[in-house]
Amino acid sequence: AQSVTQLDSQVPVFEEAPVELRCNYSSSVSVYLFWYVQYPNQGLQLLLKYLSGSTLVKGINGFEAEFNKSQTSFHLRKPSVHISDTAEYFCAVRHNFGNEKLTFGTGTRLTIIP
Amino acid sequence: KAGVTQTPRYLIKTRGQQVTLSCSPISGHRSVSWYQQTPGQGLQFLFEYFSETQRNKGNFPGRFSGRQFSNSRSEMNVSTLELGDSALYLCASSSAGTGSTNEKLFFGSGTQLSVL
Repeated sequence: AQSVTQLDSQVPVFEEAPVELRCNYSSSVSVYLFWYVQYPNQGLQLLLKYLSGSTLVKGINGFEAEFNKSQTSFHLRKPSVHISDTAEYFCAVRHNFGNEKLTFGTGTRLTIIP
Repeated sequence: KAGVTQTPRYLIKTRGQQVTLSCSPISGHRSVSWYQQTPGQGLQFLFEYFSETQRNKGNFPGRFSGRQFSNSRSEMNVSTLELGDSALYLCASSSAGTGSTNEKLFFGSGTQLSVL
């Protein structure tokens, strides 16, 4: 079985500063990795995903994430945040074969300070 | 194209009652998954349906059940409600079944269930 750990439950960041949201996963087999964002009173939407190939993945809204197999990490980064980035961010993982479900982390609430 | 629609948006029930939540996926999507979201627990997978068949199931008690109709609409039922069932229940649809590399989940806004 796979699992995901998001160590930071809340991250406050000043507007236009860089941010990194951490995600570590555990799995005995190869995985696909995802980041989803949930804006207030909305469902989740996909930010980016890693399936294979280049370890640096670029997503929507200027976000990117880097897959690090040796560190079993998939941290999300943005060089300069906006007020509109205030949301909850979820990292998710699943095995790259079969009909496996997505396993989500507990989420990181990103708050942008003006 | 309409998004994933969940009804009702809010629901208040008392302990011991049962509840049915509805989810209409994006047109053409055959896979519907349900998740329970609570503060501090994140999203917990309930089950996934694909073409009217339950294909995956999470670690929830038998009080939680679901079904999918031929038009891909799905319902989730919780019987004998407990206080701990208070949560946001999210439904997600996908054009490909779980396991496809093109899988992308589209989420509804959820049903906020409060059990008193």
